[in-house]
Parts: sequence; C-alpha cells; structure tokens
Amino acid sequence: SQTIHQWPATLVQPVGSPLSLECTVEGTSNPNLYWYRQAAGRGLQLLFYSVGIGQISSEVPQNLSASRPQDRQFILSSKKLLLSDSGFYLCAWSGGLNSPLHFGNGTRLTVT
Amino acid sequence: AQSVTQPDIHITVSEGASLELRCNYSYGATPYLFWYVQSPGQGLQLLLKYFSGDTLVQGIKGFEAEFKRSQSSFNLRKPSVHWSDAAEYFCAVGAGTASKLTFGTGTRLQVTL
Repeated sequence: SQTIHQWPATLVQPVGSPLSLECTVEGTSNPNLYWYRQAAGRGLQLLFYSVGIGQISSEVPQNLSASRPQDRQFILSSKKLLLSDSGFYLCAWSGGLNSPLHFGNGTRLTVT
Repeated sequence: AQSVTQPDIHITVSEGASLELRCNYSYGATPYLFWYVQSPGQGLQLLLKYFSGDTLVQGIKGFEAEFKRSQSSFNLRKPSVHWSDAAEYFCAVGAGTASKLTFGTGTRLQVTL
C-alpha cells in the first residue's frame, strides 16, 4: 500500500532563516505531488504541484519554492522565512489528475 | 474559478444524534466533490468522493453525502454520531480534476456525551 511521509512534524524557525520541508511517497511510482498550506480559519491553499521530476507549477506568488529531485520526493523551501510563512504545511499525492488526494500528517511551522 | 462555502464554522451535537454538515460550491460544470476529515494536528483523511453517477455516495466511518445540482450542494450526513467523530471537516471541489482542489474553510464538529 502507499504511504506518505513528511518531516519534521514541528519546526520553529527565526525570521530570515532558510527552510526545507521534505515529503516522500512509498508504494507508487510517478505520483502527482502537492504542497498545501493551512492557515487558521482559512482552509487549505494549494501552493505547488508536480506531475513529474523537475516539473513544478506554482499556484500563488510567495516567498516559497518547491523542487522534485526524485520521482517520489517533494521539497518545500525558502531562502528567508517571513512571519507570514507560519502555518501548517501538508504534502499530498495522487495517482493522476482524476484520482483523489492523499495527505501526509503535516508540518507545523512557526516563524518567530 | 470555483469556490466552496461551508457556512457553519462550529457545530456541536450529542453522541447518538444525527449530523448534517453543509457545503455549497460554485462551478459552471459538474465538479468533482470531496469530504475530508482532519483530527487535531493531523493530515486530512478522505471520507468520500463524488465524480459522477449516483448522487448519494457512501463513505467510510458511516458517512454519506448527497450531490444536489439544483442547489449546488454536497452536504455530509451521518445518522448517529460517535464521540470519535469530533474533528474538523472540509468540503472540497475539483474543477475538471480530482486532485487540484479548492477547499472550504472547514466545520469543526464537537460531540458531547
């Protein structure tokens, strides 16, 4: 069966520091991969998605970037964090555009 | 662009009582519709989905939802709530895709014993 792993589970970082969140999927090949951010009371916002290695689509302009160096690995990064980057970051995968999303357990990021 | 409205931010029900969580969407064609559940500090788990066909869909944990095109709604129901159902519930719509979704802001369900 397929599983998705995100780490770390929680992270506290100072403003201006870099960020790297990692997500890996097991048990499937060539998944579509997604990064969502969840802010309190605002639901989930799609940040990035990828349909293949090196292919990244950005949904909203922001201080973050994403990369997909391997088929089942998706990384969310920032060179300099802002206070507004605080939130709950969720990675998800799907088997294709017409397959539902399956989420990881998320990373709680607090920028201080 | 599509949108989703969950009008109830917070709902409290007694254990054993019935439950209905409301979801309205805006999209010009037939959307892909989903309900997800999130326990505190956790990711989202798929409860059920509607792609086409029968407008009443069954999901996990005894939940069901009904797609009503005339009302642009996809309400989630459960006949008898259990204390373990306390969580946050998200409705989501996909416009032409099941995986690039627009989510509602969620409804937090509290269950009293």
